[in-house]
Amino acid sequence: DTEVTQTPKHLVMGMTNKKSLKCEQHMGHRAMYWYKQKAKKPPELMFVYSYEKLSINESVPSRFSPECPNSSLLNLHLHALQPEDSALYLCASRNAPAGSEKLFFGSGTQLSVL
Amino acid sequence: DQQVKQNSPSLSVQEGRISILNCDYTNSMFDYFLWYKKYPAEGPTFLISISSIKDKNEDGRFTVFLNKSAKHLSLHIVPSQPGDSAVYFCAARTKYGNKLVFGAGTILRVKS
Repeated sequence: DTEVTQTPKHLVMGMTNKKSLKCEQHMGHRAMYWYKQKAKKPPELMFVYSYEKLSINESVPSRFSPECPNSSLLNLHLHALQPEDSALYLCASRNAPAGSEKLFFGSGTQLSVL
Repeated sequence: DQQVKQNSPSLSVQEGRISILNCDYTNSMFDYFLWYKKYPAEGPTFLISISSIKDKNEDGRFTVFLNKSAKHLSLHIVPSQPGDSAVYFCAARTKYGNKLVFGAGTILRVKS
């Protein structure tokens, strides 16, 4: 199993809604990532979890709240988002600390904020 | 400050010919480089990588070349196939770092 599974694939939410994005991997990877990608732009790092602990927060606004309940799951809780937060949200995992440097990405959640 | 730059937004190549995608970087602390391929509305898929201690890595039709003195790497695809049409991202990582920094991407179109 070399998959990173993200749900939902598409999400439309209003600015007052609370929603969550979910990510799951069963490769035993201990580093998990959230990236945000706007159209025609590169993926931008948001958060990194290493061994279930938040290790990097790229100055992301508090309306995005990550959570890593266990080594296989990563959530991104969304609250009071703005229309400019509309983007493709990508989850990725890596075999930390040793092993391949490559990230395995999920297919992403396409988020639209109205 | 863009540490990883892909200066060609797009590239069009005839099927069967060579595709060459270029990437420049500014951070001399980068020690590992990766190429990812991405289709619309999908996550990036790992293609090939190279460590800074090497100058070439080959995997089937894909070869990555690294010129450390010029802080430049390139991806060669030979022969190019229509299924190679996608966005290609160059990415780099610093030693002991947890971050992967991506370039802006190059759209490759392979015409049949």
